[in-house]
Order: sequence, then structure tokens, then C-alpha cells
Amino acid sequence: GENVEQHPSTLSVQEGDSAVIKCTYSDSASNYFPWYKQELGKRPQLIIDIRSNVGEKKDQRIAVTLNKTAKHFSLHITETQPEDSAVYFCAYKLSFGAGTTVTVRA
Amino acid sequence: DVKVTQSSRYLVKRTGEKVFLECVQDMDHENMFWYRQDPGLGLRLIYFSYDVKMKEKGDIPEGYSVSREKKERFSLILESASTNQTSMYLCASSTPGTEGSPLHFGNGTRLTVT
Repeated sequence: GENVEQHPSTLSVQEGDSAVIKCTYSDSASNYFPWYKQELGKRPQLIIDIRSNVGEKKDQRIAVTLNKTAKHFSLHITETQPEDSAVYFCAYKLSFGAGTTVTVRA
Repeated sequence: DVKVTQSSRYLVKRTGEKVFLECVQDMDHENMFWYRQDPGLGLRLIYFSYDVKMKEKGDIPEGYSVSREKKERFSLILESASTNQTSMYLCASSTPGTEGSPLHFGNGTRLTVT
């Protein structure tokens, strides 16, 4: 499968702070870059995605940025809240990153 | 809303047993997928299908097979279960699209092989 590297593997932030997760990929064959959120005991669900005709997409407190030249895309969560605590996965083609466990401290 | 239903939430099987994991989606999606999820490894693709009776190997197909006789149903088969197949199995579906489309996941089947 595709080589998708996701960093960091764990992230602990104070409530109200921002969180950033980065994924790098190996080729340039796909134009679709999704992020999924998996809460404890639940299924992964799409939270935001971007296509390569734009460099950034925002949906309330979450945003995704894409740098096709450098072959990486990032998830940004602002004003973090306890309900943001979850595992986040990036995906490229049909491959997933290893996941980032985000913990928001009250 | 897309619904992907996996037949069992928890399953315990013995080594050597033949195991069937069933997945049904109700949105007429052409694409269906089977992943396994293990801590620290993310989701790894086992098999996928873009049409009825069609199947493609993913990254870790060894020890597994699949069946897609109807568009809405995609079955994962463990021919002879082994302890290293103890894992969470996730089924997903999506619409076709050359530019990619989101995956809709089922709730997962946690399989334990003893």
C-alpha cells in the first residue's frame, strides 16, 4: 500500500489550545485527502476532506491544509474542547496513517 | 444517512475454525472494503471490491478471502483462524469516484481467536 506517515502519535493539549497533526505521502497520484475521527469504542467517521484544487478548507474549529509540492497535509483543531479527545486518522488513497491519539486536558 | 451494518460486534473463535464476517450497506454503494485495526498500526486494508463478484487484494490479504455475490453485501472469510488474526475488523463502503470519496464505516467486529 501507499506509505502514509502520520505525526505525532500522541498529542496532549490544554483545553482551548490548538492541535496540529501532519501526514506525509509518497506519490502524487491522488487528489483527495480526508481526515477521520474515531471516538473510543466507535467507528471512524469523516470530519473533513480536501481536494487538491484548493490549499485549505475550514469547517468551524477544524481545518485541513495541503502542500502538494512537499506532499503533506495537516489537520488543525482550534479552541480544543474535551469532546475533541479521540484518535484521528489521515488517509491517502486506500491507506491510513497510524493514527494520533489526542487528549484535551480540562 | 449511510448505514453499514456488521453482523457481529464481538466474536470468539477457536484456532483452525472457518470464520465468516458479514457486512451489509444500504446506500447502493459500488465500493466495499475490509480493514483490520490494531493499536499503533492504524487501519490496514485486507480486501476491497468495486463491483459485484469483483475483488482485489489489499495490503494484508494472507489468510483471508472475500465474497461479494450481491452489491450490498461483502463477506470476509478467515479460512483457518489463527491467534494472530485476533483484531478489530472494520467494513466500509463508498461511492465510486476517480477523485476519491469518503469511506463510511460499520461499527466493527472484535474477533478473538483462542
